[in-house]
Parts: sequence; C-alpha cells; structure tokens
Amino acid sequence: NAGVTQTPKFRILKIGQSMTLQCTQDMNHNYMYWYRQDPGMGLKLIYYSVGAGITDKGEVPNGYNVSRSTTEDFPLRLELAAPSQTSVYFCASSDRRRLAQGEQFFGPGTRLTVL
Amino acid sequence: GIQVEQSPPDLILQEGANSTLRCNFSDSVNNLQWFHQNPWGQLINLFYIPSGTKQNGRLSATTVATERYSLLYISSSQTTDSGVYFCAVAGEDSSYKLIFGSGTRLLVRP
Repeated sequence: NAGVTQTPKFRILKIGQSMTLQCTQDMNHNYMYWYRQDPGMGLKLIYYSVGAGITDKGEVPNGYNVSRSTTEDFPLRLELAAPSQTSVYFCASSDRRRLAQGEQFFGPGTRLTVL
Repeated sequence: GIQVEQSPPDLILQEGANSTLRCNFSDSVNNLQWFHQNPWGQLINLFYIPSGTKQNGRLSATTVATERYSLLYISSSQTTDSGVYFCAVAGEDSSYKLIFGSGTRLLVRP
C-alpha cells in the first residue's frame, strides 16, 4: 500500500491564482481530512469527509472547497489564493475502527507559498 | 470552541534525560491524542488516551479527564526523539474533529 499520497510536494502561487491539492489513499478509508499547519503552530482542520459524497467544514474552511466523488480521492481547491494561505497542507485518512483507537494516517504534506 | 494549551513551548535535553510535557484543555473531551512530528515534517500517532494511562517503550501518557489535562513522559531521551509533540483533542459533540495545541518543540542533544 502506498498509504496517503499528496501532490504536489511544493508549489508557489501568485495572489489570485487557483489550484487543487490532490490527496489519494489506497486503504479504502471512509474518513478523510484536510489540515493546514502554519509556521510554529499546530494543525487546523479545514474540511473533512466521512464518505464519498459527504463533506463538512472544519475549523478554518474559508477560501477552500472540497469534493469527494470517490472513496480514494479528496482534492482541496484554493480559489483566489491569498498570502494568508501560505502554509503546509496535510491530508489524513482513517476508518471507523482505527478512529475509535485514535489512529489517523497522514500524508507527507504540500508546502504552499502565495506571493 | 475547546482551547488546548501545551507547555513548555520549547525544551532542550541532554541525551538520556527524562522529561514531562503537559497539555491542558478547556472543556470535556472524548478524544485526546499525542502526536510526534519529526524534523522532516512527518506526523506519527503516539497515543490515543482520552483517559487513563498508557505506555509504549520509553514513552508513556496519562490523562486526567476530570481535571482536563494530559501528560506525556519521555524517559531516557534519544536524539531521535527530537521534533514537535502535539496534543490534539475533540469535544464530546464531535469526536472526529481534532483541535491541536501549538506543540512542544523538543531538541535532544547528544
């Protein structure tokens, strides 16, 4: 299993540009999450999904959109990028049994800079 | 929402020393986890411990839910323990939505 994969690893955007951060997992997990980590801070939940076709807002959803058309993929869309969105973005996945034990599988992260 | 405070923010240890990291939270939780983020940014689950005590090798954790705090103990520290330790909690209304603290940055010197 490849686990949770994220692309790209690094990206520089100009203010106002848009992009999609890709996240794929091959563990057949129903639960998927997007977090952002600002320098020197903990992770903040942007959006999450409990299954294909179901998404919900987390702590900091403004400026982002998500979709979940398949179990495997959970892309995060940035529209009109702003410098405040400069951060490292982590995708995570889990299933109900592992969540009950507090286990999430994290991807390697995407480092995004908006200039 | 729930507030999570971790202390100390930074910690420098000599290899072989012991340490205690603390996590205070402002409301009742039904999910509390400790994570380690290594210097390369990788996040690793350490403990799922909404209450009680668990041990895994040189690491152990205790959560006193009634007093709203959790402690992570690192014994005989090694340089590979360096990184950032995060505490994350979820409230009773949403056990899947984790709120992270700002972390404790640990540097273990050889």
